[in-house]
Amino acid sequence: AQSVTQPDIHITVSEGASLELRCNYSYGATPYLFWYVQSPGQGLQLLLKYFSGDTLVQGIKGFEAEFKRSQSSFNLRKPSVHWSDAAEYFCAVGSGGYQKVTFGTGTKLQVIP
Amino acid sequence: DGGITQSPKYLFRKEGQNVTLSCEQNLNHDAMYWYRQDPGQGLRLIYYSQIVNDFQKGDIAEGYSVSREKKESFPLTVTSAQKNPTAFYLCASSSRVEAFFGQGTRLTVV
Repeated sequence: AQSVTQPDIHITVSEGASLELRCNYSYGATPYLFWYVQSPGQGLQLLLKYFSGDTLVQGIKGFEAEFKRSQSSFNLRKPSVHWSDAAEYFCAVGSGGYQKVTFGTGTKLQVIP
Repeated sequence: DGGITQSPKYLFRKEGQNVTLSCEQNLNHDAMYWYRQDPGQGLRLIYYSQIVNDFQKGDIAEGYSVSREKKESFPLTVTSAQKNPTAFYLCASSSRVEAFFGQGTRLTVV
């Protein structure tokens, strides 16, 4: 069965600092991978997705993620964090065509001045 | 504007009552989904539907029911059999490559 692990429940970074959120997945074939962001009490917004091709994926709001098959990872990065990036971030893995997607438990990001 | 509309935003249920959460989309997506979100547990799939008049159980379907009579609509009923229904419920619809989420319904048992 597919699964996703986000080992960091909560991360605090200073505004302007770089950010990396970790995501490890378990899936038998080539996975479809996603990162979503959620503001409090809101729905989820897609930041970026990986299906195939270039393993470095660019997303919205200056985020990027790198697919590393050998490490079963899909870490999310941003070179310089803004206060508005404070939110909860979810990594997800799917089986293709968005048939069924499994979400990680989320990482809550706090940004301090 | 195209999107997904969930209603109501807040819902209160007395113990033993059934309640229905609404989800409507005008994105012309075939697939629709219901997720439950609890603090520290991420999103868990309740039910999903890939086509009208067909749906499948997700990982935590017990105590819930759905229908898919129209492409645009995928209502979720939380029955009295669901022992711990207080949670944030999210509806989504998808094309083959991207999913769009509603703003959620927060259900509280009183």
